[in-house]
Amino acid sequence: GAGVSQSPSNKVTEKGKDVELRCDPISGHTALYWYRQSLGQGLEFLIYFQGNSAPDKSGLPSDRFSAERTGGSVSTLTIQRTQQEDSAVYLCASSYKRGGVYEQFFGPGTRLTVL
Amino acid sequence: AQSVTQLDSQVPVFEEAPVELRCNYSSSVSVYLFWYVQYPNQGLQLLLKYLSGSTLVESINGFEAEFNKSQTSFHLRKPSVHISDTAEYFCAVSDHDSGGSNYKLTFGKGTLLTVNP
Repeated sequence: GAGVSQSPSNKVTEKGKDVELRCDPISGHTALYWYRQSLGQGLEFLIYFQGNSAPDKSGLPSDRFSAERTGGSVSTLTIQRTQQEDSAVYLCASSYKRGGVYEQFFGPGTRLTVL
Repeated sequence: AQSVTQLDSQVPVFEEAPVELRCNYSSSVSVYLFWYVQYPNQGLQLLLKYLSGSTLVESINGFEAEFNKSQTSFHLRKPSVHISDTAEYFCAVSDHDSGGSNYKLTFGKGTLLTVNP
């Protein structure tokens, strides 16, 4: 079946602009994660959604970052007033319970470049 | 809090040579352990995982990793590498006792394995 998809694959924006990144998880996966992969910080957890529960936002680096998940499926990560340090690859993963633990499947990522 | 240390940022080897990519972790609770691989210009793929039971786990393409609780390590090994194994490898942990279902991953910085002919 189809894997996790993300759009756009590449995004170039100017400092100060807002951007929206989209994630389409695997159908039926109840959990969804966002991570960021940057040269300086490696791979970092940003936010987690599970069903209708309140999301775990503990990894969001600032209040310029927000995310939502509509209808328990598609998720959008929004970065307001982008800064150059926001340049990174943003990865989405969806997961389901297998063997007692939720196994995560990653999308190809969105490469964000802030000029 | 958890942390993962991958001791080598780059490992160059010749084709058909053995390789070991080292991973150590720190956690105050029990953890699940994972190795992910990222081929050039591709996304992350799960290579293998340790959840419980046998401490030696294997992947379908010849990699294996052994969980050593006393040394808090989960080193990845392959007895004979191929050029196609060239990729970046990430070790990751998640909390075994999340109390729910949030198994967010904490990653190491990655090890770039380059296999030369």
